[in-house]
Amino acid sequence: KQEVTQIPAALSVPEGENLVLNCSFTDSAIYNLQWFRQDPGKGLTSLLLIQSSQREQTSGRLNASLDKSSGRSTLYIAASQPGDSATYLCAVRHSSGTYKYIFGTGTRLKVLA
Amino acid sequence: NAGVTQTPKFQVLKTGQSMTLQCAQDMNHNSMYWYRQDPGMGLRLIYYSASEGTTDKGEVPNGYNVSRLNKREFSLRLESAAPSQTSVYFCASNRGGQETQYFGPGTRLLVL
Repeated sequence: KQEVTQIPAALSVPEGENLVLNCSFTDSAIYNLQWFRQDPGKGLTSLLLIQSSQREQTSGRLNASLDKSSGRSTLYIAASQPGDSATYLCAVRHSSGTYKYIFGTGTRLKVLA
Repeated sequence: NAGVTQTPKFQVLKTGQSMTLQCAQDMNHNSMYWYRQDPGMGLRLIYYSASEGTTDKGEVPNGYNVSRLNKREFSLRLESAAPSQTSVYFCASNRGGQETQYFGPGTRLLVL
């Protein structure tokens, strides 16, 4: 059974710092992996989608990498800003052909001004 | 273009009552999903519809039923609500399994 873990559960950093959020999964047979952002009381917003054949994706100050063999993905945020404060979740879809996505429990990020 | 919309935003039920959560998307997406989010548990898939006319169980389907009314709409029904179903419910959609999911704003449900 696929399990997705995100450590740490919470993180506080000063503004301007570069940071890395981690996502690990137990079954490397994935179809894709997505990173989402969730603001308090809101729905999820997709940040980056990495297909299983890709190693990384970039969008602005965000860079996500994928290492299927080790069951890990990282989300790198450059030059963090207070507006980046949110919960970040990763989700994986198994390659079996089902449409089921398994989510991690998220990392709650606070960027201090 | 409203994206994914959900109604109601908030609902309080008594144990044993029934209700239907509505979800609609205007992006012409084929696939739609219902999740619940509980503290410390992350999002868990309840049901999904890969395409119009099909529905399949997710991780936690017990106590729920779904209807894919047409390509735009996917409803979630609680026939006899229980306190364990207190949660935030999210609907999502995408063009297909390999595509980015788009989420609605959520429905907060409290079952007393």
